[in-house]
Amino acid sequence: GENVEQHPSTLSVQEGDSAVIKCTYSDSASNYFPWYKQELGKRPQLIIDIRSNVGEKKDQRIAVTLNKTAKHFSLHITETQPEDSAVYFCAARNAGNMLTFGGGTRLMVKP
Amino acid sequence: NAGVMQNPRHLVRRRGQEARLRCSPMKGHSHVYWYRQLPEEGLKFMVYLQKENIIDESGMPKERFSAEFPKEGPSILRIQQVVRGDSAAYFCASSLLAGDLDTQYFGPGTRLTVL
Repeated sequence: GENVEQHPSTLSVQEGDSAVIKCTYSDSASNYFPWYKQELGKRPQLIIDIRSNVGEKKDQRIAVTLNKTAKHFSLHITETQPEDSAVYFCAARNAGNMLTFGGGTRLMVKP
Repeated sequence: NAGVMQNPRHLVRRRGQEARLRCSPMKGHSHVYWYRQLPEEGLKFMVYLQKENIIDESGMPKERFSAEFPKEGPSILRIQQVVRGDSAAYFCASSLLAGDLDTQYFGPGTRLTVL
């Protein structure tokens, strides 16, 4: 089955700096890669996603890149703000339509 | 347009009791997924259902756990004879379709505590 590794597990940045979270996946048939943000005690919220037919996607301060050959994808957050503090999960969807999640990254943005 | 609804939000059970968790997908969504999240951990896939069908239950323990998504009404995740290790947050998600319309939207979760 699919295996998704996510790094780092915790990330602390100063407000205004950039944050990068990286994930690798094992199943070359996976074709859809969403990122979710989860605040304490809340539901995971989709923040951006990318499909395997594109290499990069951007939405304001958030961008995701995908390298299919190397089987890794990354989340980039620029100009971080304290409200970006949360746990971020990457995921990969295989042909069976279910998501396999990474272990999560706790992002702390210090004012 | 209401999002994915789950109830109850919090559920306390004693060891050996049954837990029933309900999930109403977003309007028009016919695909439902259940995930379990242990404290300080990621989400683990349990089961994927469409109306009246279980599509994939590879992540669900073979014993004590069952799931259904009837023609009418919410999807139900049922845990029989709960044990302390079942304490977790259980999230369901729904999607409109499979393929390119498969974005999964999550409900608020049910936090199960087994005493």
